[in-house]
Amino acid sequence: ELKVEQNPLFLSMQEGKNYTIYCNYSTTSDRLYWYRQDPGKSLESLFVLLSNGAVKQEGRLMASLDTKARLSTLHITAAVHDLSATYFCAVDIFTGNQFYFGTGTSLTVIP
Amino acid sequence: DGGITQSPKYLFRKEGQNVTLSCEQNLNHDAMYWYRQDPGQGLRLIYYSQIVNDFQKGDIAEGYSVSREKKESFPLTVTSAQKNPTAFYLCASSTTLLGQGRQPQHFGDGTRLSIL
Repeated sequence: ELKVEQNPLFLSMQEGKNYTIYCNYSTTSDRLYWYRQDPGKSLESLFVLLSNGAVKQEGRLMASLDTKARLSTLHITAAVHDLSATYFCAVDIFTGNQFYFGTGTSLTVIP
Repeated sequence: DGGITQSPKYLFRKEGQNVTLSCEQNLNHDAMYWYRQDPGQGLRLIYYSQIVNDFQKGDIAEGYSVSREKKESFPLTVTSAQKNPTAFYLCASSTTLLGQGRQPQHFGDGTRLSIL
């Protein structure tokens, strides 16, 4: 069974600070996705990483993928309150169209 | 605009009652999915379908049923056998392209189901 683990589960950070969210997965995959979920809302796609070494950036968020280490990171630079949300990573494997989601990281940015 | 429409937004179920959640997409996606999300938790897969008239059980299929008679539609029925149905239900769709053509899942706005 494929497992996808995120840490930390909860993150409280001050505005202007930097931090990284980690996503580890337990089997070979070169396709990883990051989503954002606001309270009571649906999931919004942030990044799609499709190869080893892939790096994507959008505003204050940067995602990377290391398929050999089975690790993806979501780096937050100079956090602002608008980034407060829950962030999920998801992996899909070669043999199917099934996506496996991490447990989520609830981020709160404090003024 | 293309997207996924889930209805209703809120749904209440009485004891012993079956209820059906609607999911329609106009993205021309082959694959569709149903997830359950409990408060403060991640997403758990209930059922998924890669093609019309075919679907597979996910991790928590017991007490749920689905059909896929049309490419655009993937309704989920929460049966009376599901003893703890209170949750947020999300429908998603995706292409079945692999490699660099791979796209993320698109999600509907969700249905919040509660027991009366």
